[in-house]
Parts: sequence; C-alpha cells; structure tokens
Amino acid sequence: DGGITQSPKYLFRKEGQNVTLSCEQNLNHDAMYWYRQDPGQGLRLIYYSQIVNDFQKGDIAEGYSVSREKKESFPLTVTSAQKNPTAFYLCASSTSRVNEQFFGPGTRLTVL
Amino acid sequence: KQEVTQIPAALSVPEGENLVLNCSFTDSAIYNLQWFRQDPGKGLTSLLLIQSSQREQTSGRLNASLDKSSGRSTLYIAASQPGDSATYLCAVASMSQFYFGTGTSLTVIP
Repeated sequence: DGGITQSPKYLFRKEGQNVTLSCEQNLNHDAMYWYRQDPGQGLRLIYYSQIVNDFQKGDIAEGYSVSREKKESFPLTVTSAQKNPTAFYLCASSTSRVNEQFFGPGTRLTVL
Repeated sequence: KQEVTQIPAALSVPEGENLVLNCSFTDSAIYNLQWFRQDPGKGLTSLLLIQSSQREQTSGRLNASLDKSSGRSTLYIAASQPGDSATYLCAVASMSQFYFGTGTSLTVIP
C-alpha cells in the first residue's frame, strides 16, 4: 500500500529544544518537500529535495534543517532558532520537481 | 513571485446544489495546477491535476477548468453532498515550485 507516512502525529516541544519530524515514502518518488501550514495562510515551503544527498531552502528555511540520506526518507529538524514553531507540518513527494504532489497526514507541533 | 488567491474564503450551500470554487494566479507561466481537499487536522488529498496544455479535467462529480491567459481555474462540484464538506485548496506549479492558495472552506448542509 503506497503512500507517505509522518510521525509523530502530535509533538510537544519545550523552549530551547530541537525536535525531529519524520517523513517516509514508498512511492519511489525522487522529490520530497516540507511545508508549514498556519491558520489563514497558504502552505509555505520550508525545504525541498530533488535527489538523495541534495536539498534546497524554500521560502521560510530559517530555524529548520533537513537531511536526505535515503530516497525514502526526508526528516525535518525544528531547531531552537525557530522562534515561532507552533504549526501544522506537512510532508509531500512527487516524481519530479513540478509534477503532481502527494501529501502525508501531517504533524502538529506545539511549543509549551 | 506567483500569488494564488481563492475566493470566497468560506461557502455554505444546501445539499444537492451545484457549486463553483475559484482560484486565480498572477503569473500565467505555469507547469500545472492541482486541486486538493483537506479535512480538519488532516493532510491534503489530491483531487485533480491539470497540465498547462489542458483546458479541463474530470473525476466523478468534480470538473476542474484552466484558463492560463486569464490566470484562472475553477473547480465545479455537481450535486453536492454533506461528505463534500472540507477545505479546498489550489496549487500552481510555477518557477520550479508550488504556490498554494489559502483555500475555500465548504460546508454542505443536509
């Protein structure tokens, strides 16, 4: 059953902590993306990767980091430098850069 | 920079009504346009993808049209049902990334 999985579904972070959000896909897609969704705003691109061991910053990369060591996995780390990290985070993938995107179920991050 | 707008932000209709959701974009140089559905607290589900060379796509009760020259797309939902209640987002693939609208929240009243 092909798809994109994200974990955890809910995540709570204390001030000053780094946290890592998981994203895995078994669609054999080359491109993967991380978006942030805030109430009343459209999705904003954090990072994207078109191939293994390569990734580029999106519009709001400050305070975030990623890695792409395997084709199937694209974890996102929210660092303590991100001042307002409370949001809904969505991972997506596509066969190539501007082809049809498919999304995971999302992770809701809350800062305590 | 590409800007995507969806109007109205919210829409409420009685069950059985046909309805149209609108999406406009500022730069006509696009690769494709994708319509999504999002239920509360969930990820996005792809509904329809229209390539830049196409005028429309259909899936069941859904029909999406694309007019690149005017920077507009519409999503037509026929015979609406309460299960259609959700937020509908459009996304434009342009300049090597996707740009999303803020969505239209649809409520279908039984």
